[in-house]
Amino acid sequence: AQSVAQPEDQVNVAEGNPLTVKCTYSVSGNPYLFWYVQYPNRGLQFLLKYITGDNLVKGSYGFEAEFNKSQTSFHLKKPSALVSDSALYFCAVSPSWGKLQFGAGTQVVVTP
Amino acid sequence: DAGVTQSPTHLIKTRGQQVTLRCSPKSGHDTVSWYQQALGQGPQFIFQYYEEEERQRGNFPDRFSGHQFPNYSSELNVNALLLGDSALYLCASIKGPGGSEQFFGPGTRLTVL
Repeated sequence: AQSVAQPEDQVNVAEGNPLTVKCTYSVSGNPYLFWYVQYPNRGLQFLLKYITGDNLVKGSYGFEAEFNKSQTSFHLKKPSALVSDSALYFCAVSPSWGKLQFGAGTQVVVTP
Repeated sequence: DAGVTQSPTHLIKTRGQQVTLRCSPKSGHDTVSWYQQALGQGPQFIFQYYEEEERQRGNFPDRFSGHQFPNYSSELNVNALLLGDSALYLCASIKGPGGSEQFFGPGTRLTVL
């Protein structure tokens, strides 16, 4: 079975500092990995995906993620966090087409 | 270009009742997946519809059923509602087969009393 884990319930960072949200995966074969963000009372917004190719994936709103096969990780990063980045972030794996399996989510709090 | 739309936004039902939620996919998308997101948890896959047939199903009881129409819109039906069915129900669309990025609607908040 394929799964992802987000080890941190919450990440606190000061505005302007680097932001990292951690995700590890357990997948047999080549993983299809995704990051989504959810703002209060809203649906999920796609940030980026890794299917194949370069290990560093660039996405929306200045976010990027690094696929690390040896560490089975897919951490989300942003060089300089904004207060508006405060939201709930989900890592997900796609075990089959059209199906996403999500982690429990990490709440990001960016303080001014 | 309209994104994924869902109706209603909120819904309050009592135990034992039945509910129908609706979803219209993003323009150009033909596949719809439904997810249940309980409070404080990540979304859980319910099922996927493509070409008007259920193609995949998650670990949900038969009380959860769905339908896809020729225009690709979809319905999620839940019978014999339980308190535990209270959640945000998300619809996602994808262009298939082969599409990889799912676009999500704003969700329907279902409260079962």
